[in-house]
Amino acid sequence: GAGVSQSPSNKVTEKGKDVELRCDPISGHTALYWYRQSLGQGLEFLIYFQGNSAPDKSGLPSDRFSAERTGGSVSTLTIQRTQQEDSAVYLCASSPGGSGAEQFFGPGTRLTVL
Amino acid sequence: GQSLEQPSEVTAVEGAIVQINCTYQTSGFYGLSWYQQHDGGAPTFLSYNGLDGLEETGRFSSFLSRSDSYGYLLLQELQMKDSASYFCAVRFNTGGFKTIFGAGTRLFVKA
Repeated sequence: GAGVSQSPSNKVTEKGKDVELRCDPISGHTALYWYRQSLGQGLEFLIYFQGNSAPDKSGLPSDRFSAERTGGSVSTLTIQRTQQEDSAVYLCASSPGGSGAEQFFGPGTRLTVL
Repeated sequence: GQSLEQPSEVTAVEGAIVQINCTYQTSGFYGLSWYQQHDGGAPTFLSYNGLDGLEETGRFSSFLSRSDSYGYLLLQELQMKDSASYFCAVRFNTGGFKTIFGAGTRLFVKA
């Protein structure tokens, strides 16, 4: 079956602009995660959705970042008033159930803020 | 707070065995996962330990000791294609299962 997909694959934007990043998880997976990875670094947790529960937003770095998940499937990560330090690869992952022991990652969106 | 430590780099020769260690500090610990990431690629799942002991999956094995807050990934019969970054990730229960990742260990396999 289809894996996790993300769009766009690359996004170049100007400082101060808003961007939206999309994630389509594997069908039937109830848990969805967003991470950020800077070059040569580890994955930084941003936000976690599990079913209909309130999302865990504890990793969002500032109030410029927000995310939603519609219909328990597609998720959108929005960054408002982008800054150069937001430049990174944004990775989405999904897992069946809430266990999260095995997460399936999408290819990521490379965001460059000029 | 939650933290994980793993070596930044490991170098080994083809055919050898290498061990990548991971120590963690977390409350509500639930399990330890390992992921592989090649340059430019997405992380892919390798192994998971929810209980103490050794889990074996082909050439890869993973070990967990909850009492020592320690785990490792063991790669046997190293191949050039194993050159990649390896991340340990801790799953913990904060009312939902959140995951944090270590900074990653860069493995270089030499001929």
